[in-house]
Amino acid sequence: GAGVSQTPSNKVTEKGKYVELRCDPISGHTALYWYRQSLGQGPEFLIYFQGTGAADDSGLPNDRFFAVRPEGSVSTLKIQRTERGDSAVYLCASTLGPGGELFFGEGSRLTVL
Amino acid sequence: GNSVTQMEGPVTLSEEAFLTINCTYTATGYPSLFWYVQYPGEGLQLLLKATKADDKGSNKGFEATYRKETTSFHLEKGSVQVSDSAVYFCALSAYSGAGSYQLTFGKGTKLSVIP
Repeated sequence: GAGVSQTPSNKVTEKGKYVELRCDPISGHTALYWYRQSLGQGPEFLIYFQGTGAADDSGLPNDRFFAVRPEGSVSTLKIQRTERGDSAVYLCASTLGPGGELFFGEGSRLTVL
Repeated sequence: GNSVTQMEGPVTLSEEAFLTINCTYTATGYPSLFWYVQYPGEGLQLLLKATKADDKGSNKGFEATYRKETTSFHLEKGSVQVSDSAVYFCALSAYSGAGSYQLTFGKGTKLSVIP
């Protein structure tokens, strides 16, 4: 497709489970971001990839969160031992390069019971 | 660190009313400023931007001027429509090191326009 695609759109899981969220960026976009949006809040930065490498992971809240982008395109955000506080919408965005306009996906809504 | 403070909502206006959503920021250096919009059931979309002081961003009848002296980027529209009902986010982009330009968002302001 032409835009940023995120799957699943909705994920309900139980506390303690492992979750993977996938982002397929716009073709040719080298930079990819993950953000988290809690209810009533603005999106908060998690991690930034330039190509295959995580150039800035300063927003990851703790070591239960991890993200990869092995071939410089699709990215997966991985959350281990989920907690109720992880419930949020996880947004992915891509851009042609640093400082360029970000194009956002529709997000993956994660609910941890 | 960088931060964005925007007017809390929700805001309810009648069609054709004038809209202002206030936004102020704190940042080191020279950030770029943005307004993003999130329509019901859709992803975040860039509405307008300004990259330096005194620049005016405009799109779809919305305007915002980058005011460095007051560290503000207020969003305005002269005559709102029902179709403008959405959540509006003010944001700034600043270089955070390691080649990363991070967007820092405000909390969002929900606008409802009634016929």
